[in-house]
Amino acid sequence: SQQGEEDPQALSIQEGENATMNCSYKTSINNLQWYRQNSGRGLVHLILIRSNEREKHSGRLRVTLDTSKKSSSLLITASRAADTASYFCATDEGGNTPLVFGKGTRLSVIA
Amino acid sequence: DAGVIQSPRHEVTEMGQEVTLRCKLISGHNSLFWYRQTMMRGLELLIYFNNNVPIDDSGMPEDRFSAKMPNASFSTLKIQPSEPRDSAVYFCASSERGFGNTIYFGEGSWLTVV
Repeated sequence: SQQGEEDPQALSIQEGENATMNCSYKTSINNLQWYRQNSGRGLVHLILIRSNEREKHSGRLRVTLDTSKKSSSLLITASRAADTASYFCATDEGGNTPLVFGKGTRLSVIA
Repeated sequence: DAGVIQSPRHEVTEMGQEVTLRCKLISGHNSLFWYRQTMMRGLELLIYFNNNVPIDDSGMPEDRFSAKMPNASFSTLKIQPSEPRDSAVYFCASSERGFGNTIYFGEGSWLTVV
């Protein structure tokens, strides 16, 4: 079953703009991760944020986590055409509970 | 490191045939996951292993699906007999210590059953 639900399902922006994708989940989590998938390829890990963290940065990526609202956001600043991909959030509840992925946001960055 | 290696990358087979998908883990990883991705259902966890032992196979859709880990670095996912609704991309992934850490995905096996 899907735990994380990304919003929007699809996003189209111009190169140089910022892209914001949101993820909502239902249960308490241990970690939340964001992954990227280029067309026809496997998923690639971007960033992991733990339940006791509120914000994390990695290069042009900024992830926030609000456990009271059970939501996370991924911000890509100064987007590039190469950022075009699908972005997934994934959550786990700790222990041996599986990592459950949302259905993703398809981001198109137009040059 | 070469990453998670899956084979075949693409397979087209006829309904009723046996399909075997293969996966080589990243050296030193002890957790192995098989996922299936379709447009309708997204990314679904089929089964995962920890230290070669299946921990949870509740995502395996039917008895036609089976997965093995004969050693610490290799796994197979078998579908017998295959059906058109099994058409999907099957991903193998591994991690050092289960789900609470980064999972590394292979490039996937694209299966079409006609």
